[in-house]
Amino acid sequence: RKEVEQDPGPFNVPEGATVAFNCTYSNSASQSFFWYRQDCRKEPKLLMSVYSSGNEDGRFTAQLNRASQYISLLIRDSKLSDSATYLCAVKGSGGYQKVTFGTGTKLQVIP
Amino acid sequence: DTEVTQTPKHLVMGMTNKKSLKCEQHMGHRAMYWYKQKAKKPPELMFVYSYEKLSINESVPSRFSPECPNSSLLNLHLHALQPEDSALYLCASSQARGTDYEQYFGPGTRLTVT
Repeated sequence: RKEVEQDPGPFNVPEGATVAFNCTYSNSASQSFFWYRQDCRKEPKLLMSVYSSGNEDGRFTAQLNRASQYISLLIRDSKLSDSATYLCAVKGSGGYQKVTFGTGTKLQVIP
Repeated sequence: DTEVTQTPKHLVMGMTNKKSLKCEQHMGHRAMYWYKQKAKKPPELMFVYSYEKLSINESVPSRFSPECPNSSLLNLHLHALQPEDSALYLCASSQARGTDYEQYFGPGTRLTVT
């Protein structure tokens, strides 16, 4: 089983739709979780960290489910500019800073 | 706007060349990273420096040699690369302690080995 797994998509959704992505992780001792957005041929940009209590930033909501070992990202009222690849990232246990990335989920928002 | 900068943006080098990639961060972070990313793949960790000391080397071939001259700078020295080393090389930085391990990436250097 891969350390971090995502559905590669693509998810093709109309403007204004709500879309959700999940990301599963295998190490139950993982400590920190993140969502990144990556546009074609650009660097990953941090979208948000994922906290145990869940967190929201505008149209974006992230959730962590430790029991089932997955994180989720919900995007409401999708915009054309949301089209990108969304990468989840998981930091393992211990004092090292190693973060493992999922393969990414491609989102295409259609007019 | 990124506070992690990388130079050059693009690099084409032959297999016998020696070149260096440079990264600078102005975020006060004490952990810095090199990643390699191939098309349609996630970033793949190469090296981690923590407080200017190499803390992780992900079994990277010796033709890649990292260097951390100070807390703001990170270099990656390249020598005798292979065509399969062509990729986007990303630098990132983060806090080194506590719980805030959010990594911030530079724009990357797109490397082509001919």
